[in-house]
Amino acid sequence: EADIYQTPRYLVIGTGKKITLECSQTMGHDKMYWYQQDPGMELHLIHYSYGVNSTEKGDLSSESTVSRIRTEHFPLTLESARPSHTSQYLCASSDRDTQDSGANVLTFGAGSRLTVL
Amino acid sequence: GNSVTQMEGPVTLSEEAFLTINCTYTATGYPSLFWYVQYPGEGLQLLLKATKADDKGSNKGFEATYRKETTSFHLEKGSVQVSDSAVYFCALSEEAAGNKLTFGGGTRVLVKP
Repeated sequence: EADIYQTPRYLVIGTGKKITLECSQTMGHDKMYWYQQDPGMELHLIHYSYGVNSTEKGDLSSESTVSRIRTEHFPLTLESARPSHTSQYLCASSDRDTQDSGANVLTFGAGSRLTVL
Repeated sequence: GNSVTQMEGPVTLSEEAFLTINCTYTATGYPSLFWYVQYPGEGLQLLLKATKADDKGSNKGFEATYRKETTSFHLEKGSVQVSDSAVYFCALSEEAAGNKLTFGGGTRVLVKP
């Protein structure tokens, strides 16, 4: 079954540590996204990619970085975690809906909840 | 730029009650409109969508109609269940904006037995 996977689901880590959140999808989607979801539920796009070797900053500035070396993987890295990075991080992917032109339907992973102490 | 505004929650209802969540949007062109749902502890799932004016999206008893004249896409369900308790997000995408999704702030719905 095609899906999108995020690991770890939960991570508690100390300040200054380097962390990588993994995201993999089996659908062959070109487009992938990282959203940060704050406790008030609002979603903020922090990174996106339209294909291999393509990465762009999103609408919300983030100290994290991403890479897209393979179509199916889109990991997010924080070089030095801080308490302000505590949040839920949601990965998503999409491909153009062939039946409805212009409808960019996203498939989301279950999320990675990061707590930085 | 594009924006989506939806009613703030939480919305608390009894089982079998009628649910409406208002959503209005601002866009420069002709966006596609979506409702996503997030159940506790999970990521977002597409609930329904509409890609042009007067289209009605429907799924799991939920409906929303794309109203261009009022720039709205209100979500409705005639008889909610406890299992409908979740956070609901209205969203739009537009080709002119690279098809990136713009989300509303989310509305938490709690259905009590």
